[in-house]
Amino acid sequence: QQQVKQSPQSLIVQKGGISIINCAYENTAFDYFPWYQQFPGKGPALLIAIRPDVSEKKEGRFTISFNKSAKQFSLHIMDSQPGDSATYFCAASRAVNSGGSNYKLTFGKGTLLTVNP
Amino acid sequence: NAGVMQNPRHLVRRRGQEARLRCSPMKGHSHVYWYRQLPEEGLKFMVYLQKENIIDESGMPKERFSAEFPKEGPSILRIQQVVRGDSAAYFCASSQDSTVLRGYTFGSGTRLTVV
Repeated sequence: QQQVKQSPQSLIVQKGGISIINCAYENTAFDYFPWYQQFPGKGPALLIAIRPDVSEKKEGRFTISFNKSAKQFSLHIMDSQPGDSATYFCAASRAVNSGGSNYKLTFGKGTLLTVNP
Repeated sequence: NAGVMQNPRHLVRRRGQEARLRCSPMKGHSHVYWYRQLPEEGLKFMVYLQKENIIDESGMPKERFSAEFPKEGPSILRIQQVVRGDSAAYFCASSQDSTVLRGYTFGSGTRLTVV
């Protein structure tokens, strides 16, 4: 089953607009929520991340909003630029062993963002 | 620091051949993760390894796929008797510790094409 659901699948935004990508999860064991950015032919790169004890984190034009009760989190890209055109993945981390010493990331299916000039 | 190095970048194999994908983690990173990426399917977890140990292989197909991360040398993802459905981009990531709080660092991937 898909543990992290991401929407929309694709998004087209005009330069200067706000891009919003949403993710939802079911497993309350998830405790770390990063976003990755991937350009064609490249590997994903960490963009911004949040822990569930905060509701918002902002880094430059990128903001994560986190709603623990709804088990949802979203990425907002303010003043979107053509250079932001890429695929964005949300992810969630949880322990893979009973001792809680090893973690892995589970990814959403990705959102292809196109920012038109 | 060269980052996570994967090779080859592109690999073409005929059906039935073996594919070996290599991953050298970032210096100082001892945790390695392999993911497979298919169009419109995102990144699917395959296996998580630490030096000489498999921590979690819940995403690995039960047959034909294996992975190792020896004490010396790169991590290897091995696919035996490849089939067309194995065609995908395979990404390796590494992390400094097991908590992923600093995030993964991904390599540029190996794009496997089975003909």
